[in-house]
Order: sequence, then structure tokens, then C-alpha cells
Amino acid sequence: KAGVTQTPRYLIKTRGQQVTLSCSPISGHRSVSWYQQTPGQGLQFLFEYFSETQRNKGNFPGRFSGRQFSNSRSEMNVSTLELGDSALYLCASSFSAGVFDEQFFGPGTRLTVL
Amino acid sequence: LAKTTQPISMDSYEGQEVNITCSHNNIATNDYITWYQQFPSQGPRFIIQGYKTKVTNEVASLFIPADRKSSTLSLPRVSLSDTAVYYCLVGESGSNTGKLIFGQGTTLQVKP
Repeated sequence: KAGVTQTPRYLIKTRGQQVTLSCSPISGHRSVSWYQQTPGQGLQFLFEYFSETQRNKGNFPGRFSGRQFSNSRSEMNVSTLELGDSALYLCASSFSAGVFDEQFFGPGTRLTVL
Repeated sequence: LAKTTQPISMDSYEGQEVNITCSHNNIATNDYITWYQQFPSQGPRFIIQGYKTKVTNEVASLFIPADRKSSTLSLPRVSLSDTAVYYCLVGESGSNTGKLIFGQGTTLQVKP
């Protein structure tokens, strides 16, 4: 079956702009989580959605937001971009919402903020 | 979620067995141990998960001593394609969250 897909794969924006990233989970998976990965901070949890509800949120400013649709697809939005938002944004899906259910990661969206 | 400590980096040669140890002194009774692998510019990939003693799959083995305060991921006969970052995570299986806490991971460099 198809894996987790993320669009776009690469994105270049300038400071102050906003961006929306999309994630399509594996068919049948209801939990979607988002992570930010940077060389300095490593992999950091952003938020998690399950059945259209945000279940957990990481320690990120309110400029980072997300949502999940009824078909489990998810989007995350970053407003008023800053240079430090340049990162690889990863989406992961799992069948249920248990932390140690195997999570399947997508290839990520590489965001560059100029 | 229990804090984990891993070596920052390791080097090996093709064909060797590699053992990466993870320390998790504060592991709780209900916690499981899970390892993920990440190649550059890709998302992490689940490798193996265990609770106690030994777990083996087609990719790796996971050894967990009786006190469970540490675990060792064993990769048999590594190849160049095993060069990656390996993350050890500890947390409660079945908990009502999908949140994973990644540490620094161990960068494994396999040399020819």
C-alpha cells in the first residue's frame, strides 16, 4: 500500500510569509503527527491529530498550527515565517494513537526561509 | 517519557556486527523500548520494539537485561547502506498519544 505522502517536497519562502504543508497518511491510519527537524534541535514534536482532534501539542509558538480533515489528511500552517523556521518538516501516521504503535514517516517537506 | 542516553557516533566496517547501547535508567514498568533508523533527508523508520529479554526480526535484534535500565540494538553484518542515525525511544505502549520524543540519536558510519 502507498506510504505517507507529503507535499510539496521543497519550498522556498521569505520572512514574513506564511506556508501550508500537506500530509496524506497511509490509508486507514487515523493518527497524524508533525515533527520539525533541524541540525541544531534535532527532531521535535509539533502536534498530533487523531480523528480531526488535536491530541497533543509540542512547545512551539502559536504561529505553528495544524488541522486534520475527515479523511485523515492533515495540513500544518506556519504564519509570519522566520529564518529559524527553515527545517525539514516530517509527518507521521499510525493506525491508532498509542505512542508505541509503529509510526510511518513521510519523506518530509524541506522549507527554506530567506 | 523516560530520558535516554546514546553514544553520539559510532564507526564500523562492512560485515561487522554493530551494537548500539541506550541507557534509560528511569524506565517505568509499562514502558517499551523502540528503535528508529533515519537516513539523510528521509523520515525515521521503525526498526524494532521490545519490553524485556530479546527480540529479533529480519533487520536487527534488541537485547534488554533484566533490570531494563539499558538496551542494546544489534545490527548483524552491517553494510554501507546501514549508515544512518539510530534513535532509541522509551515510553508507555498503549498510551493515549502519538507523541514521540527523539533524543540526539547515534550516527553510525559504516566504512568499506
